[in-house]
Amino acid sequence: AQSVTQPDIHITVSEGASLELRCNYSYGATPYLFWYVQSPGQGLQLLLKYFSGDTLVQGIKGFEAEFKRSQSSFNLRKPSVHWSDAAEYFCAASSGGSYIPTFGRGTSLIVHP
Amino acid sequence: DGGITQSPKYLFRKEGQNVTLSCEQNLNHDAMYWYRQDPGQGLRLIYYSQIVNDFQKGDIAEGYSVSREKKESFPLTVTSAQKNPTAFYLCATARAGKIADTQYFGPGTRLTVL
Repeated sequence: AQSVTQPDIHITVSEGASLELRCNYSYGATPYLFWYVQSPGQGLQLLLKYFSGDTLVQGIKGFEAEFKRSQSSFNLRKPSVHWSDAAEYFCAASSGGSYIPTFGRGTSLIVHP
Repeated sequence: DGGITQSPKYLFRKEGQNVTLSCEQNLNHDAMYWYRQDPGQGLRLIYYSQIVNDFQKGDIAEGYSVSREKKESFPLTVTSAQKNPTAFYLCATARAGKIADTQYFGPGTRLTVL
């Protein structure tokens, strides 16, 4: 079965520190991959997406993600976290023939001053 | 100003009542989706529609109903058959025919059963 796993339920970092949020997928072929961010009580906003080509993808708000086929991973990174980055982050994947993405359960990012 | 509108932002329901959540979009997207979000469970698909007058059940359709009479609108009715409807409901859209296309999300409706 296709699945997306975000191993960390919560991540706590200090403001200014670097960040890496993990995402692993289980698909028969390389899926299309997405990272979304959700502020409290709001909808989701796309940070970045990977379809093909360069495995390092740049997104909005200074985020980037790296696709690693050998590890079935698509981890999200940011070199220096700001307090406003505190939010819920969702990894999602979809594959050919399916209009419906599979979402991970989310990782809650807490930023300490 | 293009986007997705969900109303109301907060909704309270008494036991045994049906309630309808509104989702309207002016992005000219063919595909629309309803998700339910509970703490720690991510997003679960309720219903989706790829085209007007057609929709399919998602993973947790029981106790919910939808209609798609217009391209711009995809209302969700939470019926009294839904035993635990308290949750955050998100509507999303995407361009049809684009298998891997980005989903765009509305601001959500928080439903509470009293």
